[in-house]
Amino acid sequence: SVLTQPPSVSAAPGQNVTISCSGSSSNIGSNYVSWYQQLPGTAPKFVIYDNTKRPSGIPDRFSGSKSGTSATLGITGLQTGDEADYYCATRDSSLSSLVFGGGTKLTVL
Amino acid sequence: QVQLQQWGAGLLKPSETLSLTCAVYGGSFSGYSWNWIRQTPGKGLEWIGEINHNEYTNYNPSLKSRVTISLDTSQKQFSLKMRSVTAADTAVYYCARGLPGRWGAPVPAHWGQGTLVTVSS
Repeated sequence: SVLTQPPSVSAAPGQNVTISCSGSSSNIGSNYVSWYQQLPGTAPKFVIYDNTKRPSGIPDRFSGSKSGTSATLGITGLQTGDEADYYCATRDSSLSSLVFGGGTKLTVL
Repeated sequence: QVQLQQWGAGLLKPSETLSLTCAVYGGSFSGYSWNWIRQTPGKGLEWIGEINHNEYTNYNPSLKSRVTISLDTSQKQFSLKMRSVTAADTAVYYCARGLPGRWGAPVPAHWGQGTLVTVSS
């Protein structure tokens, strides 16, 4: 994938976790990043857009940040219901396309 | 609250044309981009393209030669056609409405339920 994410992260309930997304100047470095949560067997659901904004209904336990050519999704106070695959996405100006990261599987132990 | 309901043939033979349709319930067509995205175990999520209410389209360059996205505003539906499919096109295909005002830099915000399309001889 054009955007690089760690394949997996894990943490215990109640703890905090971050998921990184690394790109380049043609994608993250010059465009907004969004993040998606995909529960097993369901469609992705966006949880962060424009780097830091939360859609209506997404709890403030979810946060996003961006610095240079990397972005980060943070989740505080982990719950078992947060166990899912998470994807970052942004436009790549060189490819003229929306691109996604390879996804990170979050396990809540 | 917008809802997207999609359907189409789930089993195709190589060289056939994939055809999927997505119906939009709630909200208007204007001001949004209407997207198709697919997901495979090997390549993950891949954006296919978008269309707006003026029927302008943007396509993923890697798929552009085989893909057409069209719109039927009277039926509040949009469709995907992909020609000359191969086994590599086996995937779950999603339709999605983008955030308003993001033409060219779509943010898929509301997704359909997904349709598994298998290409096999």
